[in-house]
Amino acid sequence: GNSVTQMEGPVTLSEEAFLTINCTYTATGYPSLFWYVQYPGEGLQLLLKATKADDKGSNKGFEATYRKETTSFHLEKGSVQVSDSAVYFCALRQDTGTASKLTFGTGTRLQVTL
Amino acid sequence: KAGVTQTPRYLIKTRGQQVTLSCSPISGHRSVSWYQQTPGQGLQFLFEYFSETQRNKGNFPGRFSGRQFSNSRSEMNVSTLELGDSALYLCASRGQGDEQFFGPGTRLTVL
Repeated sequence: GNSVTQMEGPVTLSEEAFLTINCTYTATGYPSLFWYVQYPGEGLQLLLKATKADDKGSNKGFEATYRKETTSFHLEKGSVQVSDSAVYFCALRQDTGTASKLTFGTGTRLQVTL
Repeated sequence: KAGVTQTPRYLIKTRGQQVTLSCSPISGHRSVSWYQQTPGQGLQFLFEYFSETQRNKGNFPGRFSGRQFSNSRSEMNVSTLELGDSALYLCASRGQGDEQFFGPGTRLTVL
């Protein structure tokens, strides 16, 4: 079956540091890949997505590239801010006919300090 | 455009009771999915409804059920509640594109 593996957290960084959160996946075919962010007490918000190999998703300074050869979708940001503190989830969607569901990683908590 | 709304936001029940959670998708969205989020198991897919039909189901016992109405609003029901059902239940709606839009969730506590 499909699965997503994320690096264990928490990740603690100083403001303006470089961020990488690793994500690898197992799936048949060509899934779509997503990064979601969850702030305390809230639901999930889509951060970025990529739907085919070599696509780069980007939003709010975050980037991730769909690497089929390494089955990876690592999240990066060049300079984090305190406001980026949240839990980040990597996910894939494998459409089967008309049905679809998201398979999530376990989430990585990011804490950014001044 | 209003986002996905879920009611109630918080719920406390006791073991053995049943509960019904409601989700109103974004206007025009016909697909509604439900997920359970717990510290131990993370985010797990419960089921997906599209045009009043369940078209995908996760690996949960039959105590978990759902339905969708003609206006795309969805409800999920959990019967004979167990302590392990305590979780954040998230609803997501999807339109024509890739993105699923999540609601704020209903936090269920089972005592």
